[in-house]
Amino acid sequence: DVKVTQSSRYLVKRTGEKVFLECVQDMDHENMFWYRQDPGLGLRLIYFSYDVKMKEKGDIPEGYSVSREKKERFSLILESASTNQTSMYLCASTGSGTGINEQFFGPGTRLTVL
Amino acid sequence: AQKITQTQPGMFVQEKEAVTLDCTYDTSDPSYGLFWYKQPSSGEMIFLIYQGSYDQQNATEGRYSLNFQKARKSANLVISASQLGDSAMYFCAMRENNFNKFYFGSGTKLNVKP
Repeated sequence: DVKVTQSSRYLVKRTGEKVFLECVQDMDHENMFWYRQDPGLGLRLIYFSYDVKMKEKGDIPEGYSVSREKKERFSLILESASTNQTSMYLCASTGSGTGINEQFFGPGTRLTVL
Repeated sequence: AQKITQTQPGMFVQEKEAVTLDCTYDTSDPSYGLFWYKQPSSGEMIFLIYQGSYDQQNATEGRYSLNFQKARKSANLVISASQLGDSAMYFCAMRENNFNKFYFGSGTKLNVKP
């Protein structure tokens, strides 16, 4: 059973804290993504990575950074959390071979910044 | 310009009836893929159906079918014989095949009434 896992389902942090969200996939996928989901806005891409140590900015990278030291793990870092980063964060992965290459998603982390 | 537009924030349908969820897209890439995902209240994203830009026939997966009108750049999801378990958010997404990025719409919340 293929899987994308995220380190926490719910997280509460204080303004100014450094926050780490971890994502692990077991499908040997090259591509991994971090999205945030807000009501009425759908999923917005924060960063993605197409290989180890490679990263690309998405549509809303400000206030975030990422790390991909191993193929299976993609971390999202909030350097100094702010209340406007309160959101649902979704991690996804996809392969690059022939085929549909749909995105597989983790269960999400609901982050609240107080 | 928006890459994916879903104009129906919310929809109601009677159980056992069919429902169409609208999706239009914008791309100049001749090769692209279109996806529909379901997100129940539990939060996980479930892949439903895929349509490739070069596919001659509309995609079908069980009760789901994709009404693909390439000239109109629309990719509407049709759910036949709605069930109570179909109540969820539905997202349309596109991947342009020159890139690894996926673009998501803002979603449609479907409520199936008994």
